[in-house]
Amino acid sequence: GAVVSQHPSWVICKSGTSVKIECRSLDFQATTMFWYRQFPKQSLMLMATSNEGSKATYEQGVEKDKFLINHASLTLSTLTVTSAHPEDSSFYICSASVSGGATQYFGPGTRLTVL
Amino acid sequence: GESVGLHLPTLSVQEGDNSIINCAYSNSASDYFIWYKQESGKGPQFIIDIRSNMDKRQGQRVTVLLNKTVKHLSLQIAATQPGDSAVYFCAENLGDSWGKLQFGAGTQVVVTP
Repeated sequence: GAVVSQHPSWVICKSGTSVKIECRSLDFQATTMFWYRQFPKQSLMLMATSNEGSKATYEQGVEKDKFLINHASLTLSTLTVTSAHPEDSSFYICSASVSGGATQYFGPGTRLTVL
Repeated sequence: GESVGLHLPTLSVQEGDNSIINCAYSNSASDYFIWYKQESGKGPQFIIDIRSNMDKRQGQRVTVLLNKTVKHLSLQIAATQPGDSAVYFCAENLGDSWGKLQFGAGTQVVVTP
């Protein structure tokens, strides 16, 4: 149980284009989903907290107009990287927690490469 | 958690030996802690958790110890196997309403034959 999927698993795009990443909880309803980014050899850095039916809460330093988050249902959250640039290249990981639960279950990650 | 750095500490362990991975956390108000294992190119995988009202919890081949006095967490892996090679992260629940986690810097475990 508690399986989280992400799509796509990797994506290569040109600078200036937008990329959408999907995060789905497959066997549970996730009231809250989280988006992280991770650079090589580094830890996970929380970008934003996504709650179903409400606006996402972004961490300090994360541009909300650049990283658009939509949590339209209890099983799906999307992250759109708008006008991507090479410095946005990173490993993006989502996680989900059940209602009232403290444990986060992570997706397999999405490798974004911006040329 | 520990500050993020550019170089992961590495623990080299011989197959069959026990591994001990340490973590210092920062927030004395944190009441829930999780250890995750991350293999290369994959998302973190839940290993074991512990609440602040406990000081020890055991799972299958893993034990987590919590010392709240010095804000220290450790993960012990018994009889380390090649499949245990990965990066291990501790995470502390910051106690906010959303259940945010703060991750430590991570430790690279390399199991040698």
